[in-house]
Amino acid sequence: DAGITQSPRHKVTETGTPVTLRCHQTENHRYMYWYRQDPGHGLRLIHYSYGVKDTDKGEVSDGYSVSRSKTEDFLLTLESATSSQTSVYFCASTLSPNTEAFFGQGTRLTVV
Amino acid sequence: KNEVEQSPQNLTAQEGEFITINCSYSVGISALHWLQQHPGGGIVSLFMLSSGKKKHGRLIATINIQEKHSSLHITASHPRDSAVYICAVTSNRDDKIIFGKGTRLHILP
Repeated sequence: DAGITQSPRHKVTETGTPVTLRCHQTENHRYMYWYRQDPGHGLRLIHYSYGVKDTDKGEVSDGYSVSRSKTEDFLLTLESATSSQTSVYFCASTLSPNTEAFFGQGTRLTVV
Repeated sequence: KNEVEQSPQNLTAQEGEFITINCSYSVGISALHWLQQHPGGGIVSLFMLSSGKKKHGRLIATINIQEKHSSLHITASHPRDSAVYICAVTSNRDDKIIFGKGTRLHILP
């Protein structure tokens, strides 16, 4: 299995607090992605990165920011968590656009 | 309209049946992915295709680039195949990976 891990795996936080999720990969993959998975919607892209310091928005980027200062780490920040951001978050990475994608185990975030 | 459409959304079958899940997409792609997710579980890559056909054990994936269509087949289905199967494509315009909503498969013993 590719080395891609997410932390934390579970988190409960209060409305209005900032939260940072971490995705770490040891495969030297260039591309990294953050998704949220909600019933009835499947996986929706939040942000993605195509290299260090190179990021772009996905379809549900409002309220989220990302940073990629090193190849191996892609951080997702909820600037001020809201209940609508309660979800399961997955990160993914690929070496190039036409190679296999690998996924983290998911982070279950609950905003109360 | 979703850029990646899967059918059926739900499928229940008896053990041993031949299963087909379909995926249609509307964007230009670099690759198409078939993924598996068990309830409460992580996401596992089954296949990555850019043309033709791939086989792994009882699983077969095909893609028709001209028709923008892919199928995932499971031969001699087994209850342990029960899971959500997800089709995703990598857009060749912006390298985003776009997901279908998944097909929930339930194999009865």
